[in-house]
Amino acid sequence: GDSVTQMEGPVTLSEEAFLTINCTYTATGYPSLFWYVQYPGEGLQLLLKATKADDKGSNKGFEATYRKETTSFHLEKGSVQVSDSAVYFCALEDSSYKLIFGSGTRLLVRP
Amino acid sequence: ETGVTQSPTHLIKTRGQQVTLRCSSQSGHNTVSWYQQALGQGPQFIFQYYREEENGRGNFPPRFSGLQFPNYSSELNVNALELDDSALYLCASSMGQGAGTQYFGPGTRLTVL
Repeated sequence: GDSVTQMEGPVTLSEEAFLTINCTYTATGYPSLFWYVQYPGEGLQLLLKATKADDKGSNKGFEATYRKETTSFHLEKGSVQVSDSAVYFCALEDSSYKLIFGSGTRLLVRP
Repeated sequence: ETGVTQSPTHLIKTRGQQVTLRCSSQSGHNTVSWYQQALGQGPQFIFQYYREEENGRGNFPPRFSGLQFPNYSSELNVNALELDDSALYLCASSMGQGAGTQYFGPGTRLTVL
């Protein structure tokens, strides 16, 4: 079945460092891909999405490009802030319109 | 525009009891999906409702059931609670089947003792 694999955390960075969180997927066809963020004690917030190959999703300085050749959707940000500390989830929408999530990657940004 | 809301925020039950969780979808959305998020894990799909009909179900036993009402709000019912049901239960709403992004509510934290 469809699945999503994320790099394990925690990822610890200093403020203004470059961030990459790897995400790869296995799916039948070409699903829509998403990044959600979860702050402590809260639900999930949509960060960005891409619906077809080579699409680039972006929001709040975060970017991810839908790579069909490598079945990847890596999340990047050029300069992280302390306020970016959270858990990040990569997800795909399968053919039944349900979201399949990775296990999440915790990001800790230190001042 | 009102976002997705869920109630209650927190709930404590004992094993064997029954629980009902509630979700109000975002204005204009007719599809509601429920997810279970165990501590330290990614959310797992429970089921989805589209225009009051169940439209897909994940790998959860029948004691997990749901409803969607004409105003597109929804309930998740869990009977015969087990300790492993302790989790954050998330509701997400969207416009149509696969036609839009799923937007999540803040969740209900269920603790089963």
